Amino acid sequence: QKEVEQNSGPLSVPEGAIASLNCTYSDRGSQSFFWYRQYSGKSPELIMFIYSNGDKEDGRFTAQLNKASQYVSLLIRDSQPSDSATYLCAVKGGSYIPTFGRGTSLIVHP
Amino acid sequence: DVKVTQSSRYLVKRTGEKVFLECVQDMDHENMFWYRQDPGLGLRLIYFSYDVKMKEKGDIPEGYSVSREKKERFSLILESASTNQTSMYLCASSLGFAGHASRDEQFFGPGTRLTVL
Repeated sequence: QKEVEQNSGPLSVPEGAIASLNCTYSDRGSQSFFWYRQYSGKSPELIMFIYSNGDKEDGRFTAQLNKASQYVSLLIRDSQPSDSATYLCAVKGGSYIPTFGRGTSLIVHP
Repeated sequence: DVKVTQSSRYLVKRTGEKVFLECVQDMDHENMFWYRQDPGLGLRLIYFSYDVKMKEKGDIPEGYSVSREKKERFSLILESASTNQTSMYLCASSLGFAGHASRDEQFFGPGTRLTVL
């Protein structure tokens, strides 16, 4: 059984701080790693994709992947109240079907 | 822009009714998925289709069936709705790359919030 674990939170950070979201996975054959953002009452949307070890930056978002330790993280710099949402980690191996974590709720307070 | 649409945002049905949830994508994606999302349980895969008329069971297929007669349309059917099927139902599609390090992200529809009374 492939598992993807996330702390459910809520993670509460002040505006302007760095929010750090973590995800661990069980399948060593995993090859593609995704972070989706889901606002309350809305559907998930992709914000980051990473497949090689190290960091990948896109604006205020940085995804970090460590395959040896089987974790992937998402850093949000200069957090804004509009970043308040649930963040879903998804992991995919060689099949079409990703495995989703249950998500971490992030609250950015002014 | 990929667009995935679902037939209803909100639906209220009675126990025992047959319920149809429709999903349409406009980007010629090979793969389509049906999930349900419940508080504390995350996204759970009900069914998956990788081609017209092809389907595979996901983690929780009991009480559901699907139909994919055309590439762009994937329907979820609740044969006899029950109260424990009250949930948010999300349809998604993806291009269909299963290879090494493929991006193959999922694009989600807006969701259907189904209430079974």
